[in-house]
Amino acid sequence: SAVISQKPSRDICQRGTSLTIQCQVDSQVTMMFWYRQQPGQSLTLIATANQGSEATYESGFVIDKFPISRPNLTFSTLTVSNMSPEDSSIYLCSVSDRDSGNTIYFGEGSWLTVV
Amino acid sequence: TQLLEQSPQFLSIQEGENLTVYCNSSSVFSSLQWYRQEPGEGPVLLVTVVTGGEVKKLKRLTFQFGDARKDSSLHITAAQTGDTGLYLCAGTPSFYNQGGKLIFGQGTELSVKP
Repeated sequence: SAVISQKPSRDICQRGTSLTIQCQVDSQVTMMFWYRQQPGQSLTLIATANQGSEATYESGFVIDKFPISRPNLTFSTLTVSNMSPEDSSIYLCSVSDRDSGNTIYFGEGSWLTVV
Repeated sequence: TQLLEQSPQFLSIQEGENLTVYCNSSSVFSSLQWYRQEPGEGPVLLVTVVTGGEVKKLKRLTFQFGDARKDSSLHITAAQTGDTGLYLCAGTPSFYNQGGKLIFGQGTELSVKP
């Protein structure tokens, strides 16, 4: 199974600032995704992080607000830009790999509170 | 409109009771997964079902995938306090042309009291 490390695990951010979350996997994986989980809610897919090209965003999410990088098969970053209190959420990285039968694994999440 | 309808959203029971959580959709899913999430942690995969009619057992947990691959259920027998947590169903719709993307149900917050 893949081991996923996310940084930071928790942060308190000022309104109007931006924060970059890192996702590191202990093995090369085919697919990497970013999800958001708002307080008391389920998970919503933000985007697919594509290695070497622009991320693919889901409806309601845009690159200017959530820029994503994926420079290689083990690492990705998600930036939450110009934060407002509505961005207070858990942001989760997940990975899927064909070699493991497309099993999907999640990191422990990054808890952001915007004040 | 929620593509995956999960119910109930909240469930509070006594230790030893049985319970069932449902996940329903009007769409066909290539696969469906059940996760358990505890406060402060990411979701942990419990099971993946891929074949219509499939039944999988994990100790006291029984998972079923509907024949038409549009619905699933999680049944817990003789619940224990350690079963308390958020249970999430998630699936990959057949119309997705890319594996690994998941749509989540609303979640079921389960509380098992001693």
